[in-house]
Amino acid sequence: GQQLNQNPQSMFIQEGEDVSMNCTSSSIFNTWLWYKQDPGEGPVLLIALYKAGELTSNGRLTAQFGITRKDSFLNISASIPSDVGIYFCAGDNTDKLIFGTGTRLQVFP
Amino acid sequence: GAGVSQTPSNKVTEKGKYVELRCDPISGHTALYWYRQSLGQGPEFLIYFQGTGAADDSGLPNDRFFAVRPEGSVSTLKIQRTERGDSAVYLCASSLTRLAHNEQFFGPGTRLTVL
Repeated sequence: GQQLNQNPQSMFIQEGEDVSMNCTSSSIFNTWLWYKQDPGEGPVLLIALYKAGELTSNGRLTAQFGITRKDSFLNISASIPSDVGIYFCAGDNTDKLIFGTGTRLQVFP
Repeated sequence: GAGVSQTPSNKVTEKGKYVELRCDPISGHTALYWYRQSLGQGPEFLIYFQGTGAADDSGLPNDRFFAVRPEGSVSTLKIQRTERGDSAVYLCASSLTRLAHNEQFFGPGTRLTVL
């Protein structure tokens, strides 16, 4: 099935550093979502974006809905150990989510 | 608990066998979704229900896969004649309605292993 292209595939950073990841699609989406998945758990929604160009924050997380509606970006500031996990973007047009390939984040103290 | 629950958490079966995976959505949620997540990949859509009816089953890989939601609450994903390639985590999600902006809440998944 279709999967969105997410970069980078993995990141190894030191606690306190900022993190950036992005997601691109060949098709347009009306909604972009960012999820975090911990081992053995289902994805949990972090941020939802509903309008092209929209910039939304949730605590240390900031996400942007690209102007072309074909991409989105997630930034995490001042990373902490509990940020460890896999981050997925997802596009939504018709209620079935199309997920990205994931970015695995490791944070070292 | 108040979240989406899935049973069993793990299922090991032999090639060719039949399996059923169960999903209990959040009470009151009318929309229910099934996704499949292979190792190292993001979840892939299989099917979604609005109430009792399957509104979109375009993600089901073939006719060995079938899902039901007879009373508009609990759903069962059924896989016939399992193959090794069916091994994956099967995730269920529910949302209040099928309208946009309604968050999908995911269960912990059922890890299916076909030997």
